[in-house]
Amino acid sequence: SAVISQKPSRDICQRGTSLTIQCQVDSQVTMMFWYRQQPGQSLTLIATANQGSEATYESGFVIDKFPISRPNLTFSTLTVSNMSPEDSSIYLCSVDREETQYFGPGTRLLVL
Amino acid sequence: KNQVEQSPQSLIILEGKNCTLQCNYTVSPFSNLRWYKQDTGRGPVSLTIMTFSENTKSNGRYTATLDADTKQSSLHITASQLSDSASYICVPRFSGTYKYIFGTGTRLKVLA
Repeated sequence: SAVISQKPSRDICQRGTSLTIQCQVDSQVTMMFWYRQQPGQSLTLIATANQGSEATYESGFVIDKFPISRPNLTFSTLTVSNMSPEDSSIYLCSVDREETQYFGPGTRLLVL
Repeated sequence: KNQVEQSPQSLIILEGKNCTLQCNYTVSPFSNLRWYKQDTGRGPVSLTIMTFSENTKSNGRYTATLDADTKQSSLHITASQLSDSASYICVPRFSGTYKYIFGTGTRLKVLA
């Protein structure tokens, strides 16, 4: 199994500001994934983060808006930059291990 | 366009009753299909995973079926409990990639 923690668990932010979300895994993994789940919607993959290389972003997501760091094999951060109310979502970190996908508890973000 | 459609969107049943959730997908090429349970405010948790060659997989009171020819899957919940109240998400995976397509889920409410 994999134990994933995220910080913060929730936050309320003002538009135009930025928030950095941290994801910590209990053991080393090659790839970490960041998802967004907007209210009432399904999960959408934002990007894949490999240690030692730039993150790979999905269509509709750009590095300037969602910069990602992956300094080691157990940790990653996602920054939501220049926030607007449309960024209000749950942001989830995920890893694959032994053919099973594990998710963190999520960070619930509200932008006013 | 690759899509995942789940039905019903929402369902209310009495405790102790059985129910079946449906998933139709058009993901191709297809590697495997997972069902997740997502409690409100939490990250999804894997229930079952089936490859294209498997027809059924059980996990306690949860039984998933897969028909790769018709691209249909179902999740059957037996003797429902109050704790089964959650969203259930069908997630097929593209063959040869890490990419998953998340369905919008079925929101199940179990009443006492």
